[in-house]
Amino acid sequence: DAKTTQPPSMDCAEGRAANLPCNHSTISGNEYVYWYRQIHSQGPQYIIHGLKNNETNEMASLIITEDRKSSTLILPHATLRDTAVYYCIVRVKEFNTNAGKSTFGDGTTLTVKP
Amino acid sequence: EAQVTQNPRYLITVTGKKLTVTCSQNMNHEYMSWYRQDPGLGLRQIYYSMNVEVTDKGDVPEGYKVSRKEKRNFPLILESPSPNQTSLYFCASSPWGPGETQYFGPGTRLLVL
Repeated sequence: DAKTTQPPSMDCAEGRAANLPCNHSTISGNEYVYWYRQIHSQGPQYIIHGLKNNETNEMASLIITEDRKSSTLILPHATLRDTAVYYCIVRVKEFNTNAGKSTFGDGTTLTVKP
Repeated sequence: EAQVTQNPRYLITVTGKKLTVTCSQNMNHEYMSWYRQDPGLGLRQIYYSMNVEVTDKGDVPEGYKVSRKEKRNFPLILESPSPNQTSLYFCASSPWGPGETQYFGPGTRLLVL
C-alpha cells in the first residue's frame, strides 16, 4: 500500500466546509483512495473512495488531483457530530490472495467548533 | 441489518487467564480482520482471514491466536493475556479484502490487570 500523509489535527467552524488534505505521492495506477472516519472510540466508518475522478455521496466529496498524488475530503457543511479522526488510506481494489494486510495511519483529528 | 458484532464490549481480566473475543458478521463476507488501537498508535492489524480456514499474521500478531472455522465468525483468542494487551480491539469484514470497503464492529475494550 502506498503511504499517506495527513495533518495531525484541524479545526473547522460549524456550518462551514471542512477540507481535509491527504498526500499519497507514491500511489500506483491501480490504487484507490479511501476515506474512513472514527467518531470517539467507535468502530471506523467508511466515507468515500475514488480512483481518479472526483466523487460525491451523501456524506462527503472527494477531490483527487490530476496527478493523483494528493486528495481532499470535503465535508460541505460540517456539524459538531463530524468531530472525529479521519483516515486516508490507499488500496489496490482487486482481489489478491496475498493482499490481506491492512494498515491505517494516524489520521487527522477534525474538531468542529460552534 | 448488515453488521459486525463483537462480544464482550468491555472486559476486565487478570494476567494469564485465557479469554476469547468473538466477532460475527452477517454479510457473507470472505475477509475478516482484527485490529488493536492504542493511544497515539492508530489502528494496527493483528490477524486477518481471506476465507474459511485461511488466516495470516498482520503487523502485531504476538500473543494472539485466531481461527476461521466458518465464514461468519472470526474469534480472537488471548491464551495468556498480559497487561500490554490492554487495548481497544476492533473486528472488521469486507466482501473479499482490504481493498474493498471494510465494515467495523463496535469495539471491545480490554483491561488486563
